Amino acid sequence: EPEVTQTPSHQVTQMGQEVILRCVPISNHLYFYWYRQILGQKVEFLVSFYNNEISEKSEIFDDQFSVERPDGSNFTLKIRSTKLEDSAMYFCASRSNEPQHFGDGTRLSIL
Amino acid sequence: AQSVTQLGSHVSVSEGALVLLRCNYSSSVPPYLFWYVQYPNQGLQLLLKYTSAATLVKGINGFEAEFKKSETSFHLTKPSAHMSDAAEYFCAVSADNAGGTSYGKLTFGQGTILTVHP
Repeated sequence: EPEVTQTPSHQVTQMGQEVILRCVPISNHLYFYWYRQILGQKVEFLVSFYNNEISEKSEIFDDQFSVERPDGSNFTLKIRSTKLEDSAMYFCASRSNEPQHFGDGTRLSIL
Repeated sequence: AQSVTQLGSHVSVSEGALVLLRCNYSSSVPPYLFWYVQYPNQGLQLLLKYTSAATLVKGINGFEAEFKKSETSFHLTKPSAHMSDAAEYFCAVSADNAGGTSYGKLTFGQGTILTVHP
């Protein structure tokens, strides 16, 4: 069965540095999402992406965040200047119809 | 606007006992509802979904859930718990249906950690 794949599985970055989290959605899917889960808290929506543009974003998704689908297969989340509070598990998801299929996540640790 | 409340952050049952995980939702449009399971250090795996068809939904691993509009509930049940069911369970709601503008974003509950005792 096709899967959403995310790399790396764990990313350690110094505060203030840029980080790019990568996702390969399922190939025929049209809707793409990023969520995050801070340790011990619930999963939170960050952004949705459809037809090569952001369709919706949450209050968390401020100017430090950006998403791209640079080559028709990858879907990336960039954080320009990381803060300690960005430490979390970041999940990518994709779908055509319901439901969303999730990757295994990238654990981002900011030092 | 949509929201999900899961009653009980921790539920503990004995192996072979009934599992009941509670979920109540709020949505301004007819919702789609989901249960996901998360095992340690893994992603979110879909257990089952309700998308306005049958109100009793059967999922993987013997789980099922019933959509009750009058109670705004979507509780997850399994008749007989197994040790391998120990995990965290998330209820989620999506308002992406005809005329919706949310593009299918999921709003999750706080999660319920299920512990199964021998």
